[in-house]
Amino acid sequence: DSGVTQTPKHLITATGQRVTLRCSPRSGDLSVYWYQQSLDQGLQFLIQYYNGEERAKGNILERFSAQQFPDLHSELNLSSLELGDSALYFCASSRGGGTGELFFGEGSRLTVL
Amino acid sequence: GQQVMQIPQYQHVQEGEDFTTYCNSSTTLSNIQWYKQRPGGHPVFLIQLVKSGEVKKQKRLTFQFGEAKKNSSLHITATQTTDVGTYFCAGYTGNQFYFGTGTSLTVIP
Repeated sequence: DSGVTQTPKHLITATGQRVTLRCSPRSGDLSVYWYQQSLDQGLQFLIQYYNGEERAKGNILERFSAQQFPDLHSELNLSSLELGDSALYFCASSRGGGTGELFFGEGSRLTVL
Repeated sequence: GQQVMQIPQYQHVQEGEDFTTYCNSSTTLSNIQWYKQRPGGHPVFLIQLVKSGEVKKQKRLTFQFGEAKKNSSLHITATQTTDVGTYFCAGYTGNQFYFGTGTSLTVIP
């Protein structure tokens, strides 16, 4: 158990819909990262938050947005969903904002039909 | 843009054989991390290398960071079925981690 909690574990929805994925980092961790992993694909970095502020941005689509709340949990919002958005979305947390070890949650598997 | 390539993409070995995966970056990295993802699981941190030419060992696993800090390797000696999974490198540069494409290891008993 990494200490990172992601909900929901599984989500099935239709094209055009909007979903919200939630992540609670490990206790004491200030950074939250979001990654997308498609079938047989690597981990695509989406975005990082550190102590409530956006720290780094990767290949995140304009239809996607995220935020980190004062209690440090984070939400990833995916809108106008397309079939190609079907993937495993991982949240990871780390103690600081830099180069420390990432602790991954178990992921949220999104299926868009 | 920044890329971290990993080879091979897939590797099948007989149990007891050695295994190596290689990671190459287009730019110099501040550090590099390695993760293992078991089938159906999430990535789990293995190690971090920071210094040029650094070599670290964890039991049967040997990790190296190149002199130029642009490449790295993970070598597993005498693979076991418990080594099955996908191994990812993650290079840190420009304020973010760049994950390699991963090497999926299958160990045949």
